[in-house]
Amino acid sequence: GQQLNQSPQSMFIQEGEDVSMNCTSSSIFNTWLWYKQDPGEGPVLLIALYKAGELTSNGRLTAQFGITRKDSFLNISASIPSDVGIYFCAGQNYGGSQGNLIFGKGTKLSVKP
Amino acid sequence: DAGVTQSPTHLIKTRGQQVTLRCSPISGHKSVSWYQQVLGQGPQFIFQYYEKEERGRGNFPDRFSARQFPNYSSELNVNALLLGDSALYLCASSFNGGNGYTFGSGTRLTVV
Repeated sequence: GQQLNQSPQSMFIQEGEDVSMNCTSSSIFNTWLWYKQDPGEGPVLLIALYKAGELTSNGRLTAQFGITRKDSFLNISASIPSDVGIYFCAGQNYGGSQGNLIFGKGTKLSVKP
Repeated sequence: DAGVTQSPTHLIKTRGQQVTLRCSPISGHKSVSWYQQVLGQGPQFIFQYYEKEERGRGNFPDRFSARQFPNYSSELNVNALLLGDSALYLCASSFNGGNGYTFGSGTRLTVV
């Protein structure tokens, strides 16, 4: 099935570092979403973006909806240990009470040894 | 407030068997979607239901079927299980089938 191109696949973080990840698609979306998934749990919504060019923050998290509507990025500032997990981007075209999500393959954040 | 609840949390089935997974949406949510997440991948869309009608279907074989009940709960059925059906099956609910999806913790299916 279709999956978005998400990078990097994995990264190690040290407490206090800033983190960046991005997601690209060959298709246009009218909504971009960022989720975090912890082991044994379902994805939890972090940020939703509804307009091309939109820049939205949620605490230490900032995400942007690309102007071309084919990409999005997520930044985490001043990372802390609980930021560890897998982050997924998802694109959606919503209309008529339907709108399935197309997910990326995920970016796994781990603590630097 | 109860979130999206899924049952069972884990189960093991043998190839060729059939399985039914259940999902109860957040109270007031009228849409339920099902996703399959294979280890190391992002979730893949299987079905979406809104007001008991199918509103979308992903690229899955006819062995996969689902339905939504009058109380908006939903079941996902998979027949003739294959080893490749082993995955985490996620249910997500939303008020109107558009944005605002909330995911459950999933059912971990292992086919042996």
